[in-house]
Amino acid sequence: GQQVMQIPQYQHVQEGEDFTTYCNSSTTLSNIQWYKQRPGGHPVFLIQLVKSGEVKKQKRLTFQFGEAKKNSSLHITATQTTDVGTYFCAGTKTTDSWGKLQFGAGTQVVVTP
Amino acid sequence: SAVISQKPSRDICQRGTSLTIQCQVDSQVTMMFWYRQQPGQSLTLIATANQGSEATYESGFVIDKFPISRPNLTFSTLTVSNMSPEDSSIYLCSVKTSPYEQYFGPGTRLTVT
Repeated sequence: GQQVMQIPQYQHVQEGEDFTTYCNSSTTLSNIQWYKQRPGGHPVFLIQLVKSGEVKKQKRLTFQFGEAKKNSSLHITATQTTDVGTYFCAGTKTTDSWGKLQFGAGTQVVVTP
Repeated sequence: SAVISQKPSRDICQRGTSLTIQCQVDSQVTMMFWYRQQPGQSLTLIATANQGSEATYESGFVIDKFPISRPNLTFSTLTVSNMSPEDSSIYLCSVKTSPYEQYFGPGTRLTVT
């Protein structure tokens, strides 16, 4: 089964609101990556997190990696219609030397103007 | 980052036939991956294709069904053999450009009738 769990699977947001999507792994991760997939598009790399407790920001997006390196979150402030899409987290297990990614189920974000 | 192209971008195929998908990268990369994404679902890794060695398949995927070639550091092919409607999906190639960054091609949308 899926070892990287992501919630919520669906998020309906009013434009201007904030929201957060969460990612949890059953095993310790060496790193976690976040992707955005627009409808009809392919996953686009957003960011990678490597260090325990790491926090990175990209404009209105804040990414966090948990202290135990088993969870991560993506927080978007002041949501815009351009934020529509599905956000995936993907982690690499510490035991995987090739760095294969295990994807979460994704959070589909719908923004209402 | 990397610029990745895939051919064909989409195809409609008849049951029992085979389709070969090409993936071209604009720079030399050691590790390439092939994923499948069924409609509305997350990404599932099919296999890892390293140049100079046999592809390594994930559980549930076999070489007879999904043969892969990796003749050089910028190119790979995935063949979907003896197709059935259950193979209808988006097939994506991906490359690793650094230990923690992975980029995806635009995908091949396959419909099997």
